[in-house]
Amino acid sequence: NAGVTQTPKFRILKIGQSMTLQCTQDMNHNYMYWYRQDPGMGLKLIYYSVGAGITDKGEVPNGYNVSRSTTEDFPLRLELAAPSQTSVYFCASSSPRDKHSYEQYFGPGTRLTVT
Amino acid sequence: EDKVVQSPLSLVVHEGDTVTLNCSYEVTNFRSLLWYKQEKKAPTFLFMLTSSGIEKKSGRLSSILDKKELFSILNITATQTGDSAVYLCAGNSGGSNYKLTFGKGTLLTVNP
Repeated sequence: NAGVTQTPKFRILKIGQSMTLQCTQDMNHNYMYWYRQDPGMGLKLIYYSVGAGITDKGEVPNGYNVSRSTTEDFPLRLELAAPSQTSVYFCASSSPRDKHSYEQYFGPGTRLTVT
Repeated sequence: EDKVVQSPLSLVVHEGDTVTLNCSYEVTNFRSLLWYKQEKKAPTFLFMLTSSGIEKKSGRLSSILDKKELFSILNITATQTGDSAVYLCAGNSGGSNYKLTFGKGTLLTVNP
């Protein structure tokens, strides 16, 4: 049981490049989330999904896209990378209906630098 | 817009001291408040609080929620250098999405 895994761990992008951050969970959680964390700040929600085929915007969705074709995977796509997207990205999952718990389990993070 | 405010933003103490971290929240359809510890990587779960006045305890850490005054505190007694971390507080809103709104965190440094 690996929990939530993210790849890559680190990435440097040039302005205007595109990339996909991968996130997979093996806990059969319905709910998945993408956050970004800037230095000295808490986590800001980018997008979330309450199940396969359903996604919705969070607090800071601009410049990002997501898809949820399976329960396990929730990739985050950056289409035209900008320096403002330099951040650490965390994926998380939860299963509140199964356990009546709102705890979110976090992946190890992806550190992205856009130059 | 939901808001979670933590104080202080940073704190430096010596080993053995007791610390209290504060979290106030304004969260629509509030369901619960969560505390996480973050040590240079992913946040790890500490506590979830849903009821006022009931203390949750784990070793030297404890937390309590006041739903009337909309705040929570996290206490750490007999601090150790391993307690050095950022402590994040998050409010969980109702509805069907179970979203968390995070505060900026409190950076705790415990010196030997």
